[in-house]
Amino acid sequence: DQQVKQNSPSLSVQEGRISILNCDYTNSMFDYFLWYKKYPAEGPTFLISISSIKDKNEDGRFTVFLNKSAKHLSLHIVPSQPGDSAVYFCAAATNYGGATNKLIFGTGTLLAVQP
Amino acid sequence: DAGVIQSPRHEVTEMGQEVTLRCKPISGHDYLFWYRQTMMRGLELLIYFNNNVPIDDSGMPEDRFSAKMPNASFSTLKIQPSEPRDSAVYFCASSLAQTGSKRYFGPGTRLLVL
Repeated sequence: DQQVKQNSPSLSVQEGRISILNCDYTNSMFDYFLWYKKYPAEGPTFLISISSIKDKNEDGRFTVFLNKSAKHLSLHIVPSQPGDSAVYFCAAATNYGGATNKLIFGTGTLLAVQP
Repeated sequence: DAGVIQSPRHEVTEMGQEVTLRCKPISGHDYLFWYRQTMMRGLELLIYFNNNVPIDDSGMPEDRFSAKMPNASFSTLKIQPSEPRDSAVYFCASSLAQTGSKRYFGPGTRLLVL
């Protein structure tokens, strides 16, 4: 039973356009969410996070939106660049992301940005 | 600064053999995590340590899996005996209490059990 679901295994977008990656969760106790990016043969790297007290967090070209009632979050990348091509993992935690948390990861979405 | 270091990067072994994966966390980090990545289940937490002490090993799939952290700069994940279904990428990650849920991952060990 996947508590964090990324239902799109892959997404292809043209350079310069918006990429929208989606994530759904089932556990209403989750109150902190993170996105990680992973290039081939490398480990995941932290990208952006959001606490459940917010509905939006922005960092440059990356924005994460949280819809608590729908238990849904999304990552927007605008404009998309070829270097954004990677696997994106959504992760969720409780207790506002304290260090002792188990991060529950989704299965990932492979983003391909076409030049 | 060096990131999390894992060895070997690739391991091919035969069913029944012992496999040992190694990890050196970022210096000064007090949390260490072992994850396994598969296509079906994504990234799963196997076990984590705080100040070298195992805190939660509920993700360890079977008794065939064991992990140790003899000191702050080294951890091992051992599979004995290995089985084909253990084939996956195993990641080690470390973090500081101050960084909360942000993990710093190593490059992973790709394990193939034939």
